[in-house]
Amino acid sequence: QVQLVQSGDEVKKPGASLKISCKASGYSFRTYGISWARQAPGQGLEWMGWINPSGGDTAYAQNLQGRVTVTTDSSTSTAHMELRNLSSDDTAVYYCARDGGDTATVMQYWGRGTLVTVSS
Amino acid sequence: QTVVTQEPSLTVSPGETVTLTCAASTGAVTSGHYPNWFQQNPGQAPRALIYDTTNKHSWTPARFSGSLLGGKAALTLSGVRPEDEAEYYCLLLFGRARVFGGGTKLTVL
Repeated sequence: QVQLVQSGDEVKKPGASLKISCKASGYSFRTYGISWARQAPGQGLEWMGWINPSGGDTAYAQNLQGRVTVTTDSSTSTAHMELRNLSSDDTAVYYCARDGGDTATVMQYWGRGTLVTVSS
Repeated sequence: QTVVTQEPSLTVSPGETVTLTCAASTGAVTSGHYPNWFQQNPGQAPRALIYDTTNKHSWTPARFSGSLLGGKAALTLSGVRPEDEAEYYCLLLFGRARVFGGGTKLTVL
């Protein structure tokens, strides 16, 4: 079965960088795109970015452009999301999610989330 | 910056039918936005319900259906059950970018 296992919760200081991993199993890693989304406490979901593990194509949310980078390592079937120059506004649960088999099937399978707290 | 708008909250009685909608600030939502819908219970990761406007995943209960309605994407729950109380999010595709709606808190009373 499809599984996405995310790295553990983190506490960061303002100005620091964050890198979260998402290890995939149960399917051919390079075949499906992976998105990242986050959810601040008591708030809605915010899409952050997407990567095609096969070609390396990426897309990012406009408001995070320049501060976020998503990458993949096919040798370990792992996706990574790096977010730089953190502030308290980046405190959130971060999720990775795998797309389905076509353009229209988005974020079909989700990881359990990684809680990131940014505090001085 | 594209904004996707949903009803903040809706209340429905068990057994009734309710429709949640999803509008885009850019204009009418079309099939080309490939509307997807997700359900989220408190403290849990979201769960995909509907993709490509109308299609259900293998785990999606039959009482959930998706459509386009009056220039918006819509999620209809027919015969609502108490366990359907949750937050529901739509997501629209704008090229390779994706935008979530603000979510609808569905209360079943």
